[in-house]
Amino acid sequence: SQQGEEDPQALSIQEGENATMNCSYKTSINNLQWYRQNSGRGLVHLILIRSNEREKHSGRLRVTLDTSKKSSSLLITASRAADTASYFCATRNYGQNFVFGPGTRLSVLP
Amino acid sequence: KAGVTQTPRYLIKTRGQQVTLSCSPISGHRSVSWYQQTPGQGLQFLFEYFSETQRNKGNFPGRFSGRQFSNSRSEMNVSTLELGDSALYLCASSWPLRGTNTGELFFGEGSRLTVL
Repeated sequence: SQQGEEDPQALSIQEGENATMNCSYKTSINNLQWYRQNSGRGLVHLILIRSNEREKHSGRLRVTLDTSKKSSSLLITASRAADTASYFCATRNYGQNFVFGPGTRLSVLP
Repeated sequence: KAGVTQTPRYLIKTRGQQVTLSCSPISGHRSVSWYQQTPGQGLQFLFEYFSETQRNKGNFPGRFSGRQFSNSRSEMNVSTLELGDSALYLCASSWPLRGTNTGELFFGEGSRLTVL
């Protein structure tokens, strides 16, 4: 079974609003990463947070990691129509393969 | 620097046929991994190669195989195609970090396989 689970499965917001997506995982990890996928395209790396980090920022993105709860959240501030995509969390431990969650489909309405 | 290149981008096959997909990683990347993406199962890990050696393998039947060449280019093959093999097959390359390879993945645009 997949290790990462995103919540919600789908999210629809207006431009300018913030979007928050959550990810839960089951086992120990070395790092957690978030990726974006535009419809039918390849995934694009957004941000990586290591297991010893609690929060990380990159532009309009803010990621938090709570290893005690085995969960992470991705916040996109001031959303734009161009942010419409699917967002996936991915986890990996040393020597093991990446495991992706089922993704959150974000729709940003103009 | 050129990105990850996957060929072909689209292909249609019939049940029972076989297919070979190709992936050229970013120059200098030695790790290549493959994923199958379907609406029902999401992104499923197929296998990972590093310096021509398979490091990890996902839970797929033996009909799915892969290899990596000395120039890091990789191919995956699916034999005896089934309808359920219809999917977007994604390849990703990465630069290993001190041999542990926990860095980011760079994905190609994928090969969309339709099995009729």
